[in-house]
Amino acid sequence: SQTIHQWPATLVQPVGSPLSLECTVEGTSNPNLYWYRQAAGRGLQLLFYSVGIGQISSEVPQNLSASRPQDRQFILSSKKLLLSDSGFYLCAWSGGGGNTEAFFGQGTRLTVV
Amino acid sequence: AQTVTQSQPEMSVQEAETVTLSCTYDTSESDYYLFWYKQPPSRQMILVIRQEAYKQQNATENRFSVNFQKAAKSFSLKISDSQLGDAAMYFCARDDTGNQFYFGTGTSLTVIP
Repeated sequence: SQTIHQWPATLVQPVGSPLSLECTVEGTSNPNLYWYRQAAGRGLQLLFYSVGIGQISSEVPQNLSASRPQDRQFILSSKKLLLSDSGFYLCAWSGGGGNTEAFFGQGTRLTVV
Repeated sequence: AQTVTQSQPEMSVQEAETVTLSCTYDTSESDYYLFWYKQPPSRQMILVIRQEAYKQQNATENRFSVNFQKAAKSFSLKISDSQLGDAAMYFCARDDTGNQFYFGTGTSLTVIP
């Protein structure tokens, strides 16, 4: 069966520090991969999605970047965190094609201090 | 912008009663997919129900059903016989191309014993 792993679960980082959140998927190949941010009391904002290795689409211009170095690995990064980067980050995968749901990781709660 | 709108930030329902959560969306596509996700306090995203736009029949999953009005671009979720475990954030989502899931801002559902 397919599983998705996302870590770390919680992270407290100072302003200006770098960020790296990692997500890996097991049990499937060539998944679509997504990064979402959920700010307090708000919905899920699609940040990046990827349909293949090295293919990254950005939905919102911001302080973050994403990379997909391997088929089932998706990384969210920042060179210098801002206070506004605080939030709950969710990684997800889907089989693509439309008629498949998105499966989510457990999320990372990021607090920038 | 192609958006998903949930106009009810909070809803409450008496246990065993029925509640309807609203969702409207905007899309220029003729074929797409709609989803309702549940996010309990654990913050794990769980698929509740899905609907394919080209299907006129409303989807049903046990106590959960949808009222899909394609012309009105409306996709409401009805929860029958509400249970305490139904208390959660509910998100409506749209997927046009199989590559991008767009979510609404969510509705927080409280179930009153």
